[in-house]
Amino acid sequence: NAGVMQNPRHLVRRRGQEARLRCSPMKGHSHVYWYRQLPEEGLKFMVYLQKENIIDESGMPKERFSAEFPKEGPSILRIQQVVRGDSAAYFCASSPIGGTTNEKLFFGSGTQLSVL
Amino acid sequence: KQEVTQIPAALSVPEGENLVLNCSFTDSAIYNLQWFRQDPGKGLTSLLLIQSSQREQTSGRLNASLDKSSGRSTLYIAASQPGDSATYLCAVGTDSWGKFQFGAGTQVVVTP
Repeated sequence: NAGVMQNPRHLVRRRGQEARLRCSPMKGHSHVYWYRQLPEEGLKFMVYLQKENIIDESGMPKERFSAEFPKEGPSILRIQQVVRGDSAAYFCASSPIGGTTNEKLFFGSGTQLSVL
Repeated sequence: KQEVTQIPAALSVPEGENLVLNCSFTDSAIYNLQWFRQDPGKGLTSLLLIQSSQREQTSGRLNASLDKSSGRSTLYIAASQPGDSATYLCAVGTDSWGKFQFGAGTQVVVTP
């Protein structure tokens, strides 16, 4: 049973370009969470999605960032017009049920985004 | 706003010694608390999850305690091994699902 798969592992973009980060949850998991880890900082919650629904996006920057989790295919975190401050490790996590307090999160290996 | 602090930031111990990692949080109204391990260049691995109604959880050499009233959790790792070298993260559940507030972590090195 494959774990949470994220790709690419490393992504290099120039300022102003778009970055697309992909996350395939564990088999049987329908809840996806995106977290960001800035250099020298802890992980920060960004967004929580279920299939075709954004449940909580309170941690998402208001501009340039968007996320989706379509009925078919992986969850996508999209960053438009990237700036150097977007350079960070972006982690995706999934859980089977969601909405309960006794669920462990299963994390992917992350995508390291570097903006030149 | 919930703030999570982990002390110490780094720790080095000889193999066989017990490890004690501390986590404190400012708001006692939490849903749960989870301890993770992060290896360089890799994702996070969940170690233990403690519900807000629980006082501790155990798994093998690992034991985590939770004292909500004082805003503290402690992770104990017995008889440390070099393979325990990693960064350990404490995460406090701030909602009834997978939204966590993370500490900055404690980097542990276990020397042979």
